[in-house]
Amino acid sequence: QTVVTQEPSFSVSPGGTVTLTCGLNSGSVSTRYYPSWYQQTPGQAPRALIFSTKSRSSGVPDRFSGSILGDKAALTITGAQADDESDYYCVLYMGNGISVFGGGTKLTVL
Amino acid sequence: QLQLRESGPGLVKPSETLSLTCTVSGGSISSDSHYWGWVRQPPGKGLEWIGSIYYSGNAYYNPSLQSRATISVDTSVNQFSLRLSSLTAADTAVYYCARVLIALFRGGIISYSFDIWGRGTGVAVSS
Repeated sequence: QTVVTQEPSFSVSPGGTVTLTCGLNSGSVSTRYYPSWYQQTPGQAPRALIFSTKSRSSGVPDRFSGSILGDKAALTITGAQADDESDYYCVLYMGNGISVFGGGTKLTVL
Repeated sequence: QLQLRESGPGLVKPSETLSLTCTVSGGSISSDSHYWGWVRQPPGKGLEWIGSIYYSGNAYYNPSLQSRATISVDTSVNQFSLRLSSLTAADTAVYYCARVLIALFRGGIISYSFDIWGRGTGVAVSS
């Protein structure tokens, strides 16, 4: 069974930089999984942030960036703001029409 | 501006079948560049992909739900639908429909992301 792993929680100080990661239980994450990232605040639908590893979705500020770090996909937030406090999910495309969500990371800004 | 809106019953009994519809407005569901998907979120938990469909009718499912889920598309009314059978309390969740942006190259997918989401509809499974 494919499991996509994310840190359950993370904290960052206002103005600081944080990197969230997205791994795979069965091996390394590469660009061929087309990792994407989503932000969700309580009671709201998810919002697309990053697709195809590092492309920003429309309207997403450039302090959000995506990359591959080692064997994981990564979402970096530079200059964290209070309203970045949200849940963040990654998705990996496994091929054959199948996608898998990570368990999500709860980011606290304090 | 393309929008998606989910509709369906808020309460369903155990063992029954859930039927949800997603209405697409502001754009055509018959797009070469998109799938259309369903994602759910149980209370206090993370997101789970249920399945996706192309306007041609080709559908793909989460292996853990494949035996119970059916996704269909009706291009004449710009809608796609989810049926989930044999419901239990574990199926209680907010159900989202979403547009899946894809890029194709030589018949293969080279980009895949959920770029537009509906607001979600809550479904409780209870007698």
